[in-house]
Amino acid sequence: GAVVSQHPSRVICKSGTSVKIECRSLDFQATTMFWYRQFPKQSLMLMATSNEGSKATYEQGVEKDKFLINHASLTLSTLTVTSAHPEDSSFYICSATLITDTQYFGPGTRLTVL
Amino acid sequence: AQSVAQPEDQVNVAEGNPLTVKCTYSVSGNPYLFWYVQYPNRGLQFLLKYITGDNLVKGSYGFEAEFNKSQTSFHLKKPSALVSDSALYFCAVSSPNSNSGYALNFGKGTSLLVTP
Repeated sequence: GAVVSQHPSRVICKSGTSVKIECRSLDFQATTMFWYRQFPKQSLMLMATSNEGSKATYEQGVEKDKFLINHASLTLSTLTVTSAHPEDSSFYICSATLITDTQYFGPGTRLTVL
Repeated sequence: AQSVAQPEDQVNVAEGNPLTVKCTYSVSGNPYLFWYVQYPNRGLQFLLKYITGDNLVKGSYGFEAEFNKSQTSFHLKKPSALVSDSALYFCAVSSPNSNSGYALNFGKGTSLLVTP
């Protein structure tokens, strides 16, 4: 139980294009989903908290117009990296909560911007 | 503000020996403490958590952790390490009173290497 999927697992795009990453809770309804970013050999940094049906809450320093988050249903949240640049290359990981205290993580999406 | 410290970048242990991965925390109010494991190019897998109750928490794959309030620690332990335990381990803390709700604050991670 408590499985979270992400799609795609890897994406390579050209600078200036937009990329959408999907996060789905497969066997439970997630009232809250979180988006994290992880650089090589570093920890996860919280980017934003996404609640179904409401606007995402972004952490300080994260540009909301660049990282668009939509939480359209209790099982789906999307992160769109708009006008991607090489510095946006990273490992993006989402998580979802069934009960508020435990997060279940997706397998991550490796974004490479050329 | 809440934070987590993992003082060791890497822990090396021989297979069959006990292992400990250290974690200390700082949080206002009651902490919710977690351990996750990450294999290369994968997401995080939940190991165990402490919310309340018994200070010794047992989790997946034979791991356990002890909550020590006086030392503000939550060290991860396993009595007998396996080569397959080699991975990156993250300690994390959240607090329902924080501005980000139940969002997790992660330590920097500790790489565990178990040698045959």
